[in-house]
Amino acid sequence: AQSVTQPDIHITVSEGASLELRCNYSYGATPYLFWYVQSPGQGLQLLLKYFSGDTLVQGIKGFEAEFKRSQSSFNLRKPSVHWSDAAEYFCAVGNTNAGKSTFGDGTTLTVKP
Amino acid sequence: DAMVIQNPRYQVTQFGKPVTLSCSQTLNHNVMYWYQQKSSQAPKLLFHYYDKDFNNEADTPDNFQSRRPNTSFCFLDIRSPGLGDAAMYLCATSREVLSNEKLFFGSGTQLSVL
Repeated sequence: AQSVTQPDIHITVSEGASLELRCNYSYGATPYLFWYVQSPGQGLQLLLKYFSGDTLVQGIKGFEAEFKRSQSSFNLRKPSVHWSDAAEYFCAVGNTNAGKSTFGDGTTLTVKP
Repeated sequence: DAMVIQNPRYQVTQFGKPVTLSCSQTLNHNVMYWYQQKSSQAPKLLFHYYDKDFNNEADTPDNFQSRRPNTSFCFLDIRSPGLGDAAMYLCATSREVLSNEKLFFGSGTQLSVL
């Protein structure tokens, strides 16, 4: 069965600092991997996705993620965090049905001034 | 412009009183999904429609039902809400059910049960 682990429940970074959010997955085949962001009281918005090809994928809002098969990881990064990046971030691994993706439990990002 | 619209934004109901949540989409997508998300948890898929075909998740309680009268609209009916059903309910769409399809989410309806 597929699963996703986001080891960090809560991360605090200073504005302008770099960010890395961790995601580990378990999946029997080549995974489809996603990162979503959810602002308070809002739905989820897709940041980026990986299906195949280049293991470093670029997303919206200056985010990128790197797929590392050997580590079963798909960590999300941003070189310089903005206060507006404060939100909850979900990593997900795809299923044969897009909507049945398995989501991690999320990482809450707080940005300090 | 909002593409997946959920109404209302906040809904308060009484214990045991039926409630309906609404979702509409302007994307003409084939698939519409309903998720339940409790505080600080991942979204949990309740069911989805592919066109008119309803697909229930095995662990979705019978208390939760859904209707899709046309392509644009999908409703979530909770027949007898309990205190444990208080949550954010998210609607999402995708063009197809393929695993590489992008999901488009609405802003959610926050349900409170008194």
